[in-house]
Amino acid sequence: EAGVTQSPTHLIKTRGQQATLRCSPISGHTSVYWYQQALGLGLQFLLWYDEGEERNRGNFPPRFSGRQFPNYSSELNVNALELEDSALYLCASSLRGRENNEQFFGPGTRLTVL
Amino acid sequence: GQSLEQPSEVTAVEGAIVQINCTYQTSGFYGLSWYQQHDGGAPTFLSYNALDGLEETGRFSSFLSRSDSYGYLLLQELQMKDSASYFCAVRSGYSTLTFGKGTMLLVSP
Repeated sequence: EAGVTQSPTHLIKTRGQQATLRCSPISGHTSVYWYQQALGLGLQFLLWYDEGEERNRGNFPPRFSGRQFPNYSSELNVNALELEDSALYLCASSLRGRENNEQFFGPGTRLTVL
Repeated sequence: GQSLEQPSEVTAVEGAIVQINCTYQTSGFYGLSWYQQHDGGAPTFLSYNALDGLEETGRFSSFLSRSDSYGYLLLQELQMKDSASYFCAVRSGYSTLTFGKGTMLLVSP
């Protein structure tokens, strides 16, 4: 069974540009989560999508947005990039309703903002 | 809001036992999870505690005390491959997890 996949692996942008990151969940998983992992800050929750709807978002500005497609894949968009947006962006998927909420993570997209 | 505290770094030698503590403050609590992340890799799920007590999975065990808002991950018979970052995470509703900043475990020969 294929795991969570993310693309691209690396992304280099300049300040003010827009970045689009993509995620494909494990087959059968309807929930997709996005996290930002900046150096020394652990994983910070960005967004949760389930069944095509945004269900929850973390404490991030509106220039962080995304969507989930009918096939449950997801896209994270970051507008007006700032230097501090440089981080590893992790996507995770899970089966909704699982009591332990085990999340399966992809390898991440390393975003560098110059 | 939610906050979690865990040590930033722990060192141990091969074959030893190490305990990584996690204290949390949260409004609403469903359970405490632990994840392992090797350098540059994807975090992987280790354990979940919803009720007080000890859960054992092979060399790893996880403990929860809801009254103390405290949990720990216990790693036995340490191996070099256990060198990684370990994150505790609280599930406080809406199916989302709040992660701690992680504990880097360094296992030496």
